[in-house]
Amino acid sequence: EPEVTQTPSHQVTQMGQEVILRCVPISNHLYFYWYRQILGQKVEFLVSFYNNEISEKSEIFDDQFSVERPDGSNFTLKIRSTKLEDSAMYFCASSVVLNRREELFFGEGSRLTVL
Amino acid sequence: QKEVEQDPGPLSVPEGAIVSLNCTYSNSAFQYFMWYRQYSRKGPELLMYTYSSGNKEDGRFTAQVDKSSKYISLFIRDSQPSDSATYLCAMKRAGTALIFGKGTTLSVSS
Repeated sequence: EPEVTQTPSHQVTQMGQEVILRCVPISNHLYFYWYRQILGQKVEFLVSFYNNEISEKSEIFDDQFSVERPDGSNFTLKIRSTKLEDSAMYFCASSVVLNRREELFFGEGSRLTVL
Repeated sequence: QKEVEQDPGPLSVPEGAIVSLNCTYSNSAFQYFMWYRQYSRKGPELLMYTYSSGNKEDGRFTAQVDKSSKYISLFIRDSQPSDSATYLCAMKRAGTALIFGKGTTLSVSS
């Protein structure tokens, strides 16, 4: 069964460092997302990406964040200068719309710990 | 008022019990309603998807949507220890991002 894969599974970084989280969406999917979940809190939307551009972003997704689809398979989230409060589980998701139905498939997540 | 409200629990039931999980929402523009299951330190997994008021059944799971009351429910019949997880309600308008509730943690004891 096709799945969304994310790397790394866990990254520890120092405050102020740049971090890149990588995702390989399901191959025929056209919509890509990043969500985050701070420990004990709800899954929060960060950004959606379609046709090589951002289609929607939340207020969390400020200038420190960027996304890129550098080739036909990868979808990356970059945090330029990490803060302590960026510590969270980051989930990538991809989807395709069929008959008005859009089902998001989530990866296992990348746990980011900022020290 | 938060867009999506969900009682975080925790909820503990014995094996075989019927479980009822609920969410309320404030945005009447939401059209699509989902329930996801999330095991500890894993990504959310879609369980149920509905877009109209009424009931939808899939095996032991029934999703119920009441758009007039802005209320959705998930019922689990004959609950099993393997159902122990966090259940997230989620909803969206067409062309916009999926918004999640906080999740309800369920524990089913054998």
